[in-house]
Amino acid sequence: GAVVSQHPSWVICKSGTSVKIECRSLDFQATTMFWYRQFPKQSLMLMATSNEGSKATYEQGVEKDKFLINHASLTLSTLTVTSAHPEDSSFYICSAKAPSGRTDTQYFGPGTRLTVL
Amino acid sequence: EDKVVQSPLSLVVHEGDTVTLNCSYEVTNFRSLLWYKQEKKAPTFLFMLTSSGIEKKSGRLSSILDKKELFSILNITATQTGDSAIYLCAPNNNDMRFGAGTRLTVKP
Repeated sequence: GAVVSQHPSWVICKSGTSVKIECRSLDFQATTMFWYRQFPKQSLMLMATSNEGSKATYEQGVEKDKFLINHASLTLSTLTVTSAHPEDSSFYICSAKAPSGRTDTQYFGPGTRLTVL
Repeated sequence: EDKVVQSPLSLVVHEGDTVTLNCSYEVTNFRSLLWYKQEKKAPTFLFMLTSSGIEKKSGRLSSILDKKELFSILNITATQTGDSAIYLCAPNNNDMRFGAGTRLTVKP
């Protein structure tokens, strides 16, 4: 089956620093990738939709200057949390759409746990 | 605005019980509906439903979609403690927004 990787799987950083999270589709080309954030005991909240070669579409309330998304190739999307603060501590998960017949199937990465001190 | 509503939000049952989880949606450009199970990390795929009235089965889990009434159900029969998880549904369209999930706890 399709595989999506994320790196790093966990990161601890100081307040004010920037953190980059990579999401790769390993055995398929993903024209669309999604970035989610999940706080404890809550569902996945869509942050942005990332399309290869174009600007990401952000959900309402998500600051595009704080959460920079770059979908530079069909297999790689990156999320950079700039000037991270403790309230940005969360579980960040990416997913990639792989065409499956007439409809698309979505595959998740394993997630990145970010802790901002 | 797209809406995805799951119910119940939380459910506690005993091993051997049967549970039904609900997902209703209102989205544009609907293509299919996806069900996922999330334990400790990222969600794992369960089902993709594209056609109304056709049940999909995988072991003790089954799911069906009603595109006219805009809902789907996920059934789990003879529940086991390993079924304890959050179950998420997401309509597959241009965006992939999830419902709030149903937290299922199966007690021994």
